[in-house]
Amino acid sequence: GQQLNQSPQSMFIQEGEDVSMNCTSSSIFNTWLWYKQEPGEGPVLLIALYKAGELTSNGRLTAQFGITRKDSFLNISASIPSDVGIYFCAGPGLSGTASKLTFGTGTRLQVTL
Amino acid sequence: EPEVTQTPSHQVTQMGQEVILHCVPISNHLYFYWYRQILGQKVEFLVSFYNNEISEKSEIFDDQFSVERPDGSNFTLKIRSTKLEDSAMYFCASTGLAGSYNEQFFGPGTRLTVL
Repeated sequence: GQQLNQSPQSMFIQEGEDVSMNCTSSSIFNTWLWYKQEPGEGPVLLIALYKAGELTSNGRLTAQFGITRKDSFLNISASIPSDVGIYFCAGPGLSGTASKLTFGTGTRLQVTL
Repeated sequence: EPEVTQTPSHQVTQMGQEVILHCVPISNHLYFYWYRQILGQKVEFLVSFYNNEISEKSEIFDDQFSVERPDGSNFTLKIRSTKLEDSAMYFCASTGLAGSYNEQFFGPGTRLTVL
């Protein structure tokens, strides 16, 4: 099946620093989604990417859909304490409309003051 | 802003008992999903549901699991005879027209603890 690997596994950064995380796939995706999950909560959709090479921003977050369709990255600029959480990439299957999502392994972000 | 809701937030049950987890998807959405997340692991797909029938299911979704949309708003997941390894967070999700049905919106989850 499709697998998504994320790196780094965890990050400890200081408030104000920029963050970059990566997601790579063993197969092609036509859509990339980035979610954030806080402890005890469900994943919250941050950004959706639909075209190879697409660069999309949502506030301090920027994500790009890799040209090969097998990778994506998420950047967070000027991190703040509320950025703490686990960031997951996800992609729908190629079986058709509204396919199941395959989630990545996650990047845990900790922000210190 | 519309959101997916789930009840209960936490369910504790004895091994072998039946549990039903409840979800109210976003009202104009057409596709519904259940996922689970074992503590410390990634989110895993269980089942998708459209037009009153299962459209896809994973290997995890065996005969002990069933889903139902009993009325126009609720979407339930039933586990017939719970096992210890069913302990996990269970998330309901739904999707509508946004992003050509690819943008799935998740509920807050039900934490299931099987003793």
